[in-house]
Amino acid sequence: AQSVAQPEDQVNVAEGNPLTVKCTYSVSGNPYLFWYVQYPNRGLQFLLKYITGDNLVKGSYGFEAEFNKSQTSFHLKKPSALVSDSALYFCAVRAYNQGGKLIFGQGTELSVKP
Amino acid sequence: NAGVTQTPKFRVLKTGQSMTLLCAQDMNHEYMYWYRQDPGMGLRLIHYSVGEGTTAKGEVPDGYNVSRLKKQNFLLGLESAAPSQTSVYFCASSFRTNTYEQYFGPGTRLTVT
Repeated sequence: AQSVAQPEDQVNVAEGNPLTVKCTYSVSGNPYLFWYVQYPNRGLQFLLKYITGDNLVKGSYGFEAEFNKSQTSFHLKKPSALVSDSALYFCAVRAYNQGGKLIFGQGTELSVKP
Repeated sequence: NAGVTQTPKFRVLKTGQSMTLLCAQDMNHEYMYWYRQDPGMGLRLIHYSVGEGTTAKGEVPDGYNVSRLKKQNFLLGLESAAPSQTSVYFCASSFRTNTYEQYFGPGTRLTVT
């Protein structure tokens, strides 16, 4: 079965420090991996995706993610966090069935303090 | 280009009442989805559609029905609302290929008392 896990419910970072939000996945075959961000009372916004190619993927707002096939991980990173990055982050993998639905992790709340 | 829109934004229902949530997209996407978001559980798929006139069940379809009479619209119906259907509902759409990201609407917050 395909699944995604985000082992941390919350990540706290000081502004200006690097941040990492962790994600591991379990799929058979090649994974199509996505990161989304959700600000309070808003919908999900697409940040970046890994389909194939370079293991380091760059996305919106200065975020990047590193795909590691041997560790089945797809961690989200940013070199210097901003207070405005505080939000709920979701990792997801696209399923091969059910219309290519997204299978989501439970989400990680990122809090960036000044 | 409005992307994905949802109406209404908020709704309070009494147990047993019915309602319809409307989703519209202007990106000419073939695929559309309805998810529900509950605390600590991420988003779960309720129903989906791979094209006009076709719908199928997702992970948690019980108590919901859907219709896709036009390519740009995807309706989610609750025939007899239950407190367990209190949730935030998101519509999403995508092109056909699995390498393409899904675009989400702003959500509908539904409370069933």
